[in-house]
Amino acid sequence: NAGVMQNPRHLVRRRGQEARLRCSPMKGHSHVYWYRQLPEEGLKFMVYLQKENIIDESGMPKERFSAEFPKEGPSILRIQQVVRGDSAAYFCASSPRISEETQYFGPGTRLLVL
Amino acid sequence: RKEVEQDPGPFNVPEGATVAFNCTYSNSASQSFFWYRQDCRKEPKLLMSVYSSGNEDGRFTAQLNRASQYISLLIRDSKLSDSATYLCVASNAGGTSYGKLTFGQGTILTVHP
Repeated sequence: NAGVMQNPRHLVRRRGQEARLRCSPMKGHSHVYWYRQLPEEGLKFMVYLQKENIIDESGMPKERFSAEFPKEGPSILRIQQVVRGDSAAYFCASSPRISEETQYFGPGTRLLVL
Repeated sequence: RKEVEQDPGPFNVPEGATVAFNCTYSNSASQSFFWYRQDCRKEPKLLMSVYSSGNEDGRFTAQLNRASQYISLLIRDSKLSDSATYLCVASNAGGTSYGKLTFGQGTILTVHP
């Protein structure tokens, strides 16, 4: 059973470009969470999605950031008009149900904005 | 004030030492607590859950004191492979916050020969 998959693992963008980060949850998991880890800081919750629904986006910046988890395909975290402060590691986690104990993390996408 | 605060560290200990990490949380509504381990440039991995009755997994012992909102992790007989960043985590259960993990900033442990 493959774990949580994220791609790309590394992404370089210039200021003003768009970044699209993908997350494929573990098989059978319908709950996806995105976290961001800024350099030298702890992980911060961004958004929690179930299939086709955003459940909690309290950690998402109000502008430029959006997330989706369509019926088919991976979850996408989209950052428009990236700025240098968006450089961070973005981790996706999945769980089969609403249960904190069983959140499994993907390897992360490291975004570098030049 | 941060919701989850940990010992600043870093901790540098010799192999075989016993080391203890402390953590406090400010949200009294937090329901579940965990210790995660994160290796350099890797994803966090669940080390163990933390229960009020205390729980042990091999060389690792975790304790939770809800009254003082305090969590601890004890590592006995440290191994070189224990070197990592240890993350104290609280879960904000209830309402629409189910599933949201709140992480401390982490404590770096280095075990040397």
